Amino acid sequence: DAKTTQPNSMESNEEEPVHLPCNHSTISGTDYIHWYRQLPSQGPEYVIHGLTSNVNNRMASLAIAEDRKSSTLILHRATLRDAAVYYCILTSHNTDKLIFGTGTRLQVFP
Amino acid sequence: DTAVSQTPKYLVTQMGNDKSIKCEQNLGHDTMYWYKQDSKKFLKIMFSYNNKELIINETVPNRFSPKSPDKAHLNLHINSLELGDSAVYFCASSQGRPYTGELFFGEGSRLTVL
Repeated sequence: DAKTTQPNSMESNEEEPVHLPCNHSTISGTDYIHWYRQLPSQGPEYVIHGLTSNVNNRMASLAIAEDRKSSTLILHRATLRDAAVYYCILTSHNTDKLIFGTGTRLQVFP
Repeated sequence: DTAVSQTPKYLVTQMGNDKSIKCEQNLGHDTMYWYKQDSKKFLKIMFSYNNKELIINETVPNRFSPKSPDKAHLNLHINSLELGDSAVYFCASSQGRPYTGELFFGEGSRLTVL
């Protein structure tokens, strides 16, 4: 499975945009980029996923580099509730599991 | 109406005991998983079932035995509990393989072995 690299931690102020980076230089053509987050004392929660094009949903936006070797999860206006560990995960059509790395711990300050 | 529910939420027990954690999903999904999150917060997959058939067994000790009586349920039985089994266990479900969409996780079952 191709690996991802994320910063250990990031900080943001409430109501500011947050850009969470993820490097995946060994990504293959069939790998999808998934983002999950885990709020304190809760199970992981799906955020967004994409293959090649940028994606938007009600929670966030996913910007994928043209060469697909990196991606950025964008939270448009951080809230205190967005404080969580964010995981960037690659998975392909022949993978039966999600493999979680160490993720990025996002702190949001009032 | 909880999509993936686990019981019990907390479990405290002595070394050597046998315990079970139950998981149910009401999403109509065909695939269910068990993940373990240790004290360092590292999430690791243990098992996966698709339509009641075991498809992933990640070198988990034989003391751990999953059982899927039907597509909506995946239970985890642990024999002869050890201190190292203390962790939070998460159940999850998906429709098909993970790349197609999202996994839905339960809230976790915190197991403490004394």
